[in-house]
Amino acid sequence: DIVMTQSPDSLSVSLGERATINCKSSQSLLYRSNNKNYLAWYQQKPGQPPKLLIYWASTRESGVPDRFSGGGSGTDFTLTISSLRAEDVAVYYCQQYYSRPPRTFGQGTKLEIK
Amino acid sequence: HLQLQQSGPGLVKPSDTLSLTCSVSGGSISSSSFYWGWLRQPPGRSLEWLGSVFYTGTTSYNQSLESRLTISIDTSKNQFSLRLNSVTAADTAIYYCSRHGDIVAVPAESGWFDPWGQGTSVTVSS
Repeated sequence: DIVMTQSPDSLSVSLGERATINCKSSQSLLYRSNNKNYLAWYQQKPGQPPKLLIYWASTRESGVPDRFSGGGSGTDFTLTISSLRAEDVAVYYCQQYYSRPPRTFGQGTKLEIK
Repeated sequence: HLQLQQSGPGLVKPSDTLSLTCSVSGGSISSSSFYWGWLRQPPGRSLEWLGSVFYTGTTSYNQSLESRLTISIDTSKNQFSLRLNSVTAADTAIYYCSRHGDIVAVPAESGWFDPWGQGTSVTVSS
């Protein structure tokens, strides 16, 4: 199974500042035939199901604010919130969909306000 | 827009069977483009994919649970279900249903999970 490792486990950022979350996969998620990275990012607020933010490593889901951006390729990826807002407090997960099942998730990064 | 509504008990006794249903509205479960899956999240932990079903009834399971898990689909009711046998305290979690793309091809197109059901908190306890 592909292991997804996020860092840090928790992050405190001031309002208006940049927040960056890292995700590393145990094998490449880049499919060279189409140059796509098979990685998604989710946001989960307390008491709610996860919400899809980004897929193909960098494509924002419809309705997701443009302060959220995804980057990286191969085995190393980032989720960046350019200017943190109070409503962004949540746990963020990365997920790979490159391999045969099981689809696997990172352990999560808890984002808080400093 | 597509909505997934979960139903089922929140308390199951050890060694019993956990049964949950996910009802789909705002779209057809018989789409050839998507699979319908179940995931869970133990308290304070990350997400685990359990298994998925296609509208034809074809299933794919997480090997760690395959011996205890059955996922089925009822296209006439636009819903799909999970049955997990012989539950223990380790199966205590929030269970979610969701839609996703292909799970057979490698790599899989549209393999992200969206949308999600509201979640069902299941406690295994006597």
